Amino acid sequence: AQSVTQPDIHITVSEGASLELRCNYSYGATPYLFWYVQSPGQGLQLLLKYFSGDTLVQGIKGFEAEFKRSQSSFNLRKPSVHWSDAAEYFCAVLKAAGNKLTFGGGTRVLVKP
Amino acid sequence: EAGVVQSPRYKIIEKKQPVAFWCNPISGHNTLYWYRQNLGQGPELLIRYENEEAVDDSQLPKDRFSAERLKGVDSTLKIQPAELGDSAVYLCASSLAPSRDTQETQYFGPGTRLLVL
Repeated sequence: AQSVTQPDIHITVSEGASLELRCNYSYGATPYLFWYVQSPGQGLQLLLKYFSGDTLVQGIKGFEAEFKRSQSSFNLRKPSVHWSDAAEYFCAVLKAAGNKLTFGGGTRVLVKP
Repeated sequence: EAGVVQSPRYKIIEKKQPVAFWCNPISGHNTLYWYRQNLGQGPELLIRYENEEAVDDSQLPKDRFSAERLKGVDSTLKIQPAELGDSAVYLCASSLAPSRDTQETQYFGPGTRLLVL
């Protein structure tokens, strides 16, 4: 069965600093990977996705993620964080059969002024 | 283009009462999903519909939960009777129909936050 681990429950970063959120997955086949963001009281918004091709994926809001098969990782990065980036971030892997998403536990990002 | 619409946004009920959540997916999306998100955790799939057919309800607690999507568009998720442990956010998502060789991105609604007292 597939699984997703987000090792960091909370991350605090200063505004303007860089951000990296870790995601490790376990899946036997070619993974389809996603990052979603959830602001307080809101649903999940898709930031970016990896299905195939270039392993560096660009998303919305200045985010990017890099797929590394050898490390079973799909880490999310942003060069300069804005206060509006404070939210919870979820990594997810898609099981092709049934289009089933399995989410990690999430990483909550706090942004200091 | 309108996103996934859910109502109500918030619901507070006493235990043993019934509750229902409504979802309107993105126009043209044949596939609809209901997820439950417990506090501090990622969402977990409850049920998936392809048009009006529930094709995966293996994670739906069938003793108290039920869902329907009668005309293959809107869907309702019901809990009867609600228990304290049902307090969570219930998220609806939709996508185009996946096939054997294609996977489709799921788009989520804002969710219904349920508190059972």
